[in-house]
Amino acid sequence: DIQMTQSPSTLSASVGDRVTITCRASQSISSWLAWYQQKPGKTPKLLIYKASSLESGVPSRFSGSGSGTEFTLTISSLQPDDFATYYCQQYNSYSRTFGQGTKVEIK
Amino acid sequence: EVQLVESGGGLVQPGGSLRLSCAASGFTFSSYSMNWVRQAPGKGLEWVSYISSSSSSIYYADSVKGRFTISRDNAKNSLYLQMNSLRDEDTAVYYCARDRGVVVVDAFDIWGQGTMVTVSS
Repeated sequence: DIQMTQSPSTLSASVGDRVTITCRASQSISSWLAWYQQKPGKTPKLLIYKASSLESGVPSRFSGSGSGTEFTLTISSLQPDDFATYYCQQYNSYSRTFGQGTKVEIK
Repeated sequence: EVQLVESGGGLVQPGGSLRLSCAASGFTFSSYSMNWVRQAPGKGLEWVSYISSSSSSIYYADSVKGRFTISRDNAKNSLYLQMNSLRDEDTAVYYCARDRGVVVVDAFDIWGQGTMVTVSS
């Protein structure tokens, strides 16, 4: 199975900061990568699909990049609503796998 | 409104069985592949199982293979997960989730609210 590794596990940032989260795949997954946001007690929300495509309704401050084995999620200017846990997910195969998550906390 | 609503969770003893259901509405259920994803308390997301729109392709995570069975009834707009031989480590919130594309394997664009399964004696 393809393993997904996110870094960092926790990130402390302030409103207005530029934030970058990295996700690495154990083998090439082309651009078959998604990013999700999950708030405590809530359902995950799709932010980015196919590595860099913004899901409808998601603010443009979110962006994704990368291909192959290395990917990033960037929040250009962190907003109060963005404090949450973020997961990457590969869908290069039917056996989808998630990263372990990155918690974005208030500094 | 596009919606997925899970049901069937609860408390079950180790070795027991449970059947989860996911009712879909607001979209053409029969056109989309579906999945089950779970999240243990305080932990991350774990993909559990996939079923294609016509049920012709089915896949499971190694952790549940041989114990869980995914199925669907397109006439009833419903997805199911039969869980047998349950273990403590199966304790989690179980979500059903839709593949966003209708042609190929894709990201999950619609999620249900989840149903809690607790395996404990």
